[in-house]
Amino acid sequence: DAGVIQSPRHEVTEMGQEVTLRCKPISGHNSLFWYRQTMMRGLELLIYFNNNVPIDDSGMPEDRFSAKMPNASFSTLKIQPSEPRDSAVYFCASSLGTGQTEQFFGPGTRLTVL
Amino acid sequence: DQQVKQNSPSLSVQEGRISILNCDYTNSMFDYFLWYKKYPAEGPTFLISISSIKDKNEDGRFTVFLNKSAKHLSLHIVPSQPGDSAVYFCAGRGYNFNKFYFGSGTKLNVKP
Repeated sequence: DAGVIQSPRHEVTEMGQEVTLRCKPISGHNSLFWYRQTMMRGLELLIYFNNNVPIDDSGMPEDRFSAKMPNASFSTLKIQPSEPRDSAVYFCASSLGTGQTEQFFGPGTRLTVL
Repeated sequence: DQQVKQNSPSLSVQEGRISILNCDYTNSMFDYFLWYKKYPAEGPTFLISISSIKDKNEDGRFTVFLNKSAKHLSLHIVPSQPGDSAVYFCAGRGYNFNKFYFGSGTKLNVKP
């Protein structure tokens, strides 16, 4: 298996632009997670899905952030409009489902908003 | 509101010695604790876990200790190797079994 796939690996954009991050979870995994890593807050959970349904989005910082999972093999995290403080590494992770102790992370997308 | 805290941002250890990484948590409802290891430009990878009903779990050179009364866990690496140099995150699993709360990470440097 190729593992969790994220694209792009790097994104540089200007303030005010829309940014879309993409994730393909491991085939057969039912849960998908979006995390953000910053120096100040470390690794924080933004939102997670179970069977393509958003379960907890309490970590989404504000309405500029939205996430979708239209099917079991694809998810997007969108920021519109982007701001410099959104600069961070965004990770997608997947797991077999509820009760699993291990999450498998993608390589991350490094986002820089100028 | 960080429920898991790693108060040491970095740690430097000589090869062959013991590395001890510490983690504190506030939520007494966590049922599982995990350690992840992260190399630069890669995603975190699972290292070792421990159930809240245990106080120790060992896997080769890695041992995790859990002190529930102190709400503290630690990861011991013995002996430390240069390849262990990475950022280590600890995490607690919330009551709904799917939500993990991560600490901010400790960067371990093992010097040859």
